[in-house]
Amino acid sequence: AAGVIQSPRHLIKEKRETATLKCYPIPRHDTVYWYQQGPGQDPQFLISFYEKMQSDKGSIPDRFSAQQFSDYHSELNMSSLELGDSALYFCASSLGVYKNSYEQYFGPGTRLTVT
Amino acid sequence: ELKVEQNPLFLSMQEGKNYTIYCNYSTTSDRLYWYRQDPGKSLESLFVLLSNGAVKQEGRLMASLDTKARLSTLHITAAVHDLSATYFCAVDNGNKLVFGAGTILRVKS
Repeated sequence: AAGVIQSPRHLIKEKRETATLKCYPIPRHDTVYWYQQGPGQDPQFLISFYEKMQSDKGSIPDRFSAQQFSDYHSELNMSSLELGDSALYFCASSLGVYKNSYEQYFGPGTRLTVT
Repeated sequence: ELKVEQNPLFLSMQEGKNYTIYCNYSTTSDRLYWYRQDPGKSLESLFVLLSNGAVKQEGRLMASLDTKARLSTLHITAAVHDLSATYFCAVDNGNKLVFGAGTILRVKS
């Protein structure tokens, strides 16, 4: 079965650079979620999109922005990177709450290292 | 604000023993999830618990949900080395997940 695809899988950037993470949800899934997991931490919700509209926002820094495109893939844009942004970034997708399907399926993650 | 507490945070077990991980949460929710994570890997869904009294079992793992007590348990029966991983519970909070801190499980031979 198709899973959530994230690219790149690994990314190394320097401080103050920008990064773009991409997420391709499971086919027919219309809701995308982004989570950040720091070393030894639990995943923290950043932002979510339903049908290309932002549906919820968590602890996402102002330096980060995200969007969902017409093909339902999503991109997380991160600017002015800081050392503390080094983390695993997960994307998850679901069929959407309005379809009574709640389970989120997680992608493999992108490991971002800021040096 | 929803808070999710897991305990213990670290669990060292002998093979063949039983143990339980607890997950308490602070506000009402009818959906709770258990995930397994191996180091540097993604989150693997173990159980989805959608109603009060729900009990699910898969192999040596069994999860239950008591929404009135706001408590879920993950019971490990006759642990084997392959179960060594970090286990997270996550509570649905308006369709975003709030995770517990995770329980690092080490099963020793």
